[in-house]
Amino acid sequence: EAQVTQNPRYLITVTGKKLTVTCSQNMNHEYMSWYRQDPGLGLRQIYYSMNVEVTDKGDVPEGYKVSRKEKRNFPLILESPSPNQTSLYFCASSLDRGANIQYFGAGTRLSVL
Amino acid sequence: LAKTTQPISMDSYEGQEVNITCSHNNIATNDYITWYQQFPSQGPRFIIQGYKTKVTNEVASLFIPADRKSSTLSLPRVSLSDTAVYYCLVTNRDDKIIFGKGTRLHILP
Repeated sequence: EAQVTQNPRYLITVTGKKLTVTCSQNMNHEYMSWYRQDPGLGLRQIYYSMNVEVTDKGDVPEGYKVSRKEKRNFPLILESPSPNQTSLYFCASSLDRGANIQYFGAGTRLSVL
Repeated sequence: LAKTTQPISMDSYEGQEVNITCSHNNIATNDYITWYQQFPSQGPRFIIQGYKTKVTNEVASLFIPADRKSSTLSLPRVSLSDTAVYYCLVTNRDDKIIFGKGTRLHILP
């Protein structure tokens, strides 16, 4: 089954404790991205990757890192989480950047205390 | 990059046809129009995509006038389970993907 898998689904952590949210897709998609969703602000893109070893900033990249060492994986790294990073995070993938359909993961709800 | 404008919220009743219109006055020649649906605490899900005229699938229809400056998502005979947020996007191969805040559709019994 074609899917985007994020882990964990729920995470509670404390300020400053490094964490990684994993994302994996099994569709051989070149394009992957991370979004955060906050009440009243809609979906905002954090980082995206056009292909292996190619990543770029989205609209709200501050405080986040990503890597794309393999085509299927695109982890989101918070080196020193802060409470303002408490949010619902989604990973997505598509054939390429533009008009193609994006497939989303189920989401990761992160709380930073 | 074309921006889109859509109503913040809409209410309708079960069994009605719902039309959500999206404005994209600055749409470019190579832009496509794509609609997504999102239920609470779930990732957005693709509904339909079009370039011009009319596109229909098992879920919805998409009407695009000749000037392509707007588009209308039509949901036939909605049910309570169609309560969701609907996003209109205008994208091409080269530009960023911007979701915006979408239209919150509330279906009443």
